[in-house]
Amino acid sequence: GDSVTQMEGPVTLSEEAFLTINCTYTATGYPSLFWYVQYPGEGLQLLLKATKADDKGSNKGFEATYRKETTSFHLEKGSVQVSDSAVYFCALTVTGGGNKLTFGTGTQLKVEL
Amino acid sequence: SQTIHQWPATLVQPVGSPLSLECTVEGTSNPNLYWYRQAAGRGLQLLFYSVGIGQISSEVPQNLSASRPQDRQFILSSKKLLLSDSGFYLCAWSATGFEQFFGPGTRLTVL
Repeated sequence: GDSVTQMEGPVTLSEEAFLTINCTYTATGYPSLFWYVQYPGEGLQLLLKATKADDKGSNKGFEATYRKETTSFHLEKGSVQVSDSAVYFCALTVTGGGNKLTFGTGTQLKVEL
Repeated sequence: SQTIHQWPATLVQPVGSPLSLECTVEGTSNPNLYWYRQAAGRGLQLLFYSVGIGQISSEVPQNLSASRPQDRQFILSSKKLLLSDSGFYLCAWSATGFEQFFGPGTRLTVL
C-alpha cells in the first residue's frame, strides 16, 4: 500500500537557521504530494503541493521539489522564524478511491531565539 | 469562498456515553468529506470518507460510525464511548480530489 515516511522530531533550530525536513514515499500510482502544517491546537493547513515529477511547490518561504527518482519531497526553508514552530506533515494522494490522503507521522519543529 | 465548520470545539464525555460531532462545509457542492482522528503526539488516522450523500466508507473497524444526511454535512457518532476514543477529531473536504481542507477540529476527552 501507499506510505509516507518522515524524519523523526522534534527538530530544534535557532531563528534564521536553514530547515530541511525529509519525506520519502511509496505509492502504487502517480501520487500528488503535499506538505501540511499544524499550529498548536488547530487543524491542518495546506502549506504547498506538487502534482507531478520535478514540480516545485512553494509558499511562505518554504519549498519542496517532487523527486520521482528518489521518491522524495523534502521540505526546505532558508531562514526559519519563531512563528514557524509547528508540526509539519508530508502526505500523498493517488487519484481514485475517494482521493484519500496518506500522511506521514509528522515532524515537530521548534524555533528558538 | 469555502469554509468548514466543526463543533463542538472541545468535549469531555464519560465512558459509555454517546457521541455526536458535526461538520459542515459552505461554498461548495458535492464535496468529498473525511473524518480523521489524531491521538496525542501521533499522526492522522483516516476514519471515514464520503463521496456523496449516504455514501460512507469506513477505513478502520471501531465503535464509531459516520453519516452524511445532507450534501455538505458530515456527522461522526458513537453509541458508547471508550477511553481509547479520546483524541483530536478533524473533518476535511476536497472538491477536485487533490488537496484537502481541514476544519478547526474537536478535542474529545473521554474520562
